[in-house]
Amino acid sequence: SQQGEEDPQALSIQEGENATMNCSYKTSINNLQWYRQNSGRGLVHLILIRSNEREKHSGRLRVTLDTSKKSSSLLITASRAADTASYFCATVPGDSSYKLIFGSGTRLLVRP
Amino acid sequence: GAVVSQHPSRVICKSGTSVKIECRSLDFQATTMFWYRQFPKQSLMLMATSNEGSKATYEQGVEKDKFLINHASLTLSTLTVTSAHPEDSSFYICSATRSGTGFKNIQYFGAGTRLSVL
Repeated sequence: SQQGEEDPQALSIQEGENATMNCSYKTSINNLQWYRQNSGRGLVHLILIRSNEREKHSGRLRVTLDTSKKSSSLLITASRAADTASYFCATVPGDSSYKLIFGSGTRLLVRP
Repeated sequence: GAVVSQHPSRVICKSGTSVKIECRSLDFQATTMFWYRQFPKQSLMLMATSNEGSKATYEQGVEKDKFLINHASLTLSTLTVTSAHPEDSSFYICSATRSGTGFKNIQYFGAGTRLSVL
């Protein structure tokens, strides 16, 4: 079952601005991942943060994790029109299964 | 590396026919493959998990006789939607995990198959 909730559901920003998406989950996790999906396509893995990590960077992406609040955020800095996509957080449960439990997703539109 | 190919990308079929979707890992051996279903503007719902050589594990509410999964090799899994009906119309996506330390939690996704049942 879907356990994560993301907000906002949709976000529209101007090119060059930063985009922040938030994810909340319900149970203990092994790690949390962020994926990107272009319209009508498969998903692409962006970044993984382990339960004992608090922040991680990859290029223009910055992810934070607060296990006490069961929440994570994804920040995309200096956004580009090509960043337009849906972004999903996904958690790996702490029971060591390999399943990914996806959040509801944020649809990001970056206006040129 | 870690490319997953899914075929076909789109299929339109008549009600009552069966449709097979293939998922291949092109440059790695897939420890586990997953099948998801996605409705428009919604998240991915896991349907089943399959490991090579063993029966698939289906999520609650997914009919295993309706959605047949065969994982014949470490690089190929197939999903067959049997006797498809219009309510089966959806976007189906497969993914695979690689063996080896550090890779097992990351899933590599196919491009998806849009199924339309008339």
